[in-house]
Amino acid sequence: SQTIHQWPATLVQPVGSPLSLECTVEGTSNPNLYWYRQAAGRGLQLLFYSVGIGQISSEVPQNLSASRPQDRQFILSSKKLLLSDSGFYLCAWSVIQGGYTFGSGTRLTVV
Amino acid sequence: SQQGEEDPQALSIQEGENATMNCSYKTSINNLQWYRQNSGRGLVHLILIRSNEREKHSGRLRVTLDTSKKSSSLLITASRAADTASYFCATDAWGTYKYIFGTGTRLKVLA
Repeated sequence: SQTIHQWPATLVQPVGSPLSLECTVEGTSNPNLYWYRQAAGRGLQLLFYSVGIGQISSEVPQNLSASRPQDRQFILSSKKLLLSDSGFYLCAWSVIQGGYTFGSGTRLTVV
Repeated sequence: SQQGEEDPQALSIQEGENATMNCSYKTSINNLQWYRQNSGRGLVHLILIRSNEREKHSGRLRVTLDTSKKSSSLLITASRAADTASYFCATDAWGTYKYIFGTGTRLKVLA
């Protein structure tokens, strides 16, 4: 069966520190992978998506970057966090024109 | 820009009543999906309806799609306290791999 792992569940980081969030998928090959951010009480904002290894599309200019070093691994990074980077980060995978399967999310608080 | 917009933003009903949420979108789509999010959790896929479908059912859920009006509705019948959550619609822009989420409807079912 397909599963998606996202960690950590919560993270508190100081302003200016680096960030690395990892997402891995099991049980499927060549999935489309996505990173979304959700501000408190708001909808989801698409940050990055990837249709293959090394292929990253950025949706919103920002302080973040993404990489896909392996078929089923998607990493969200920042060199220097800003207060505005706080939020709930969700990783998801899908097959073409199929529904998303979401990870459990990482709540990031930048202090 | 936001593709999907849910209406109402918040809805409070008594257990046993029906809950209806609406979603409007802007561009042509391949399909539309509805998701549920419990507080502080990841999103759970509920239903996917394709652009050539008009209605779809899953248990107590009924989704309609009107492509001429660019709108969809989600009906939850005989609501339960456990249905309390935020509900989001998501649409894919034609020819892309990405889904854009609306701002969500916060449903509260009172026991």
